[in-house]
Amino acid sequence: DAKTTQPNSMESNEEEPVHLPCNHSTISGTDYIHWYRQLPSQGPEYVIHGLTSNVNNRMASLAIAEDRKSSTLILHRATLRDAAVYYCILRDWAQGGSEKLVFGKGTKLTVNP
Amino acid sequence: DTAVSQTPKYLVTQMGNDKSIKCEQNLGHDTMYWYKQDSKKFLKIMFSYNNKELIINETVPNRFSPKSPDKAHLNLHINSLELGDSAVYFCAVQDRSSYNSPLHFGNGTRLTVT
Repeated sequence: DAKTTQPNSMESNEEEPVHLPCNHSTISGTDYIHWYRQLPSQGPEYVIHGLTSNVNNRMASLAIAEDRKSSTLILHRATLRDAAVYYCILRDWAQGGSEKLVFGKGTKLTVNP
Repeated sequence: DTAVSQTPKYLVTQMGNDKSIKCEQNLGHDTMYWYKQDSKKFLKIMFSYNNKELIINETVPNRFSPKSPDKAHLNLHINSLELGDSAVYFCAVQDRSSYNSPLHFGNGTRLTVT
C-alpha cells in the first residue's frame, strides 16, 4: 500500500487559514491524492482529491507539489465545525480492480474559538 | 433522508453471541463496503460488494460474514462474538461507474462485547 505521513495533530484559531500537510514520497504516477475528514462520532466525509494540478471546491483547496511527493489541504477560514481528524489517502487498487482506500492515522485538527 | 444509514447505532452484547449490523443506502450506488475502526482509531477495510458480488475480502475471521440481499443493502453478521470485536463498524457506498468517485460513509455502529 502506498503510504502517507501526516502530523498527529495541529491547532488553529477560528477564522484563520489552516494548512494541513501530507507527505507521500512513494506515490506512483497514477495515484490520486484523496482527503477525507472524520468529525467526532461520525463517519469519514470526502473533502477533495487531485492528481497533479491544484484543486478547489466549496470545502477546501488542495495544493500538490510539482514532484507530487507532498500535498497540502487548505481550509481558507477555519470554523469550529472543521475540528476533525483529516486523512490524506492515496488510491489503492485491490484485487478485481476495485478501489480500496487505505486510511492512516490522520491529523487531528483542533480549532480554538 | 440519510444517504447511508446503519442500524443499530449502538450494540452491546456478550461474548459468544451472534449479532447483525445492517446498512442501507438510497444513493443507488453499485458498491458497498464495511470498514472497522478499532480503539486506536485505525480505519480498516473488511469487505466490499459490487452489484451484490463480493470483490474485496480482507483478512477477516470467518466469524464475519457479509450478506447483500439486494443492491441497496449490505449487512454484516458476526458469529461467536469476542472481546476483540469491540469497535465502530462503518458502512460506505460508492458509485464505481464514475471514476474516482468518493466514498459516502454511514455514521457507524458502535459494537461493545462484554
